Amino acid sequence: SYELTQPPSVSVFPGQTARITCSGHALPKQYAHWYQQKPGQAPVVIIYKDNKRPSGIPARFSASSSGTIATLTISGVQAEDEADYYCQSADSSDSYRVFGPGTKVTV
Amino acid sequence: QVQLQESGPGLVTPSGTLTLACRVSGGFVGSDNWWSWIRQPPGKGLEWIGEVLHTGRTHYSPSLRSRVTLSVDKSKNQLSLKLTSVTAADAAVYYCARDSCSEMSCYSEIWGPGLLVTVSP
Repeated sequence: SYELTQPPSVSVFPGQTARITCSGHALPKQYAHWYQQKPGQAPVVIIYKDNKRPSGIPARFSASSSGTIATLTISGVQAEDEADYYCQSADSSDSYRVFGPGTKVTV
Repeated sequence: QVQLQESGPGLVTPSGTLTLACRVSGGFVGSDNWWSWIRQPPGKGLEWIGEVLHTGRTHYSPSLRSRVTLSVDKSKNQLSLKLTSVTAADAAVYYCARDSCSEMSCYSEIWGPGLLVTVSP
């Protein structure tokens, strides 16, 4: 079945930029969505449809998608951004959805 | 404001059937939304289980399709998940979520707090 690939971890100092990639062969056809999950909490969508930011999500979160790779960027990382980040998309025939394995961001 | 709340047994015996409910408040399960179930084993990542529309239409993860059934109960305004032949690998926090869909793409915009399910004799 279809799988998405993410790096297991990313470490960044406060104020720096963190970039998290999500790789999948169907990404040229399917949108990528991104979620943030903090310990003991349900995930929260921070980016949808490749690069759209829901209301209430800080502007330091941005994303793009090109070819088979989607990228989440956190500019000016803050301590509160320490969390797990998951990409989510669908298979090429749009018959089921998948999550990436997640990336732990350490600040 | 739509809110979701999962409920069900916190403990299931191996080879048994797991049945969970997700109560929807502030909204209606009969609305034109897809509703998803997602799970997360302790210390691991998210796994999409499947999604259901109020019409009964469903999509399932290929890895769980043979064991899972999702449904909608409009009279109770809730969703249901049934997972058969459970094993230790099914132990997880189970989430229900309301999806937002457009241009043939869906994401889970509203999540319940999750329910921990343990599998043990």
